[in-house]
Amino acid sequence: AQKVTQAQTEISVVEKEDVTLDCVYETRDTTYYLFWYKQPPSGELVFLIRRNSFDEQNEISGRYSWNFQKSTSSFNFTITASQVVDSAVYFCALSEQGGSEKLVFGKGMKLTVNP
Amino acid sequence: GAVVSQHPSWVICKSGTSVKIECRSLDFQATTMFWYRQFPKQSLMLMATSNEGSKATYEQGVEKDKFLINHASLTLSTLTVTSAHPEDSSFYICRGAQDSNTEAFFGQGTRLTVV
Repeated sequence: AQKVTQAQTEISVVEKEDVTLDCVYETRDTTYYLFWYKQPPSGELVFLIRRNSFDEQNEISGRYSWNFQKSTSSFNFTITASQVVDSAVYFCALSEQGGSEKLVFGKGMKLTVNP
Repeated sequence: GAVVSQHPSWVICKSGTSVKIECRSLDFQATTMFWYRQFPKQSLMLMATSNEGSKATYEQGVEKDKFLINHASLTLSTLTVTSAHPEDSSFYICRGAQDSNTEAFFGQGTRLTVV
């Protein structure tokens, strides 16, 4: 069975601080996809990244970076120099096969960035 | 990226009435549509998966006679909450996929309040 664990439920930081959101996953599949989504108070899910299990390269996109380590089954997300607009709930998710299979979500982590 | 348009974005209905939520894929053919539900401060849970022209597959614990899913065309899927009760108040969101090799896309979500 697939499982995604986001151990942190809520984090509060001050603007400009760096923050790392942890994600640990479980799957028996050799091919799988990992995702991060941002859910602002308005509710919609904002896609941040999709990474397949064969690509362990870390990725950086502006202030966002992701560290994928298969050895520890982790896919952590770091926000550098956080901003108030980063305040949201962040979900890590996992899917099998081609990435369009059903997603299994972690419980989410609420990030509050204070000015 | 591709767009899934979900309507309405929010709805308030009286207990005992039915509510229909629509998801349209605007620039791709959604062979598969996933329907998720999110209770306040909780994660997203898959309710059902529908393939165009076929009956939906419901997750364990989801009443198929209460949550009617229709996926009669490649661009439209609907979720009807029948005889709604206050405990059905939740955020409902769809996710459309064209095939197993391409990314899937979320609708904007519908916030249902049953009074």
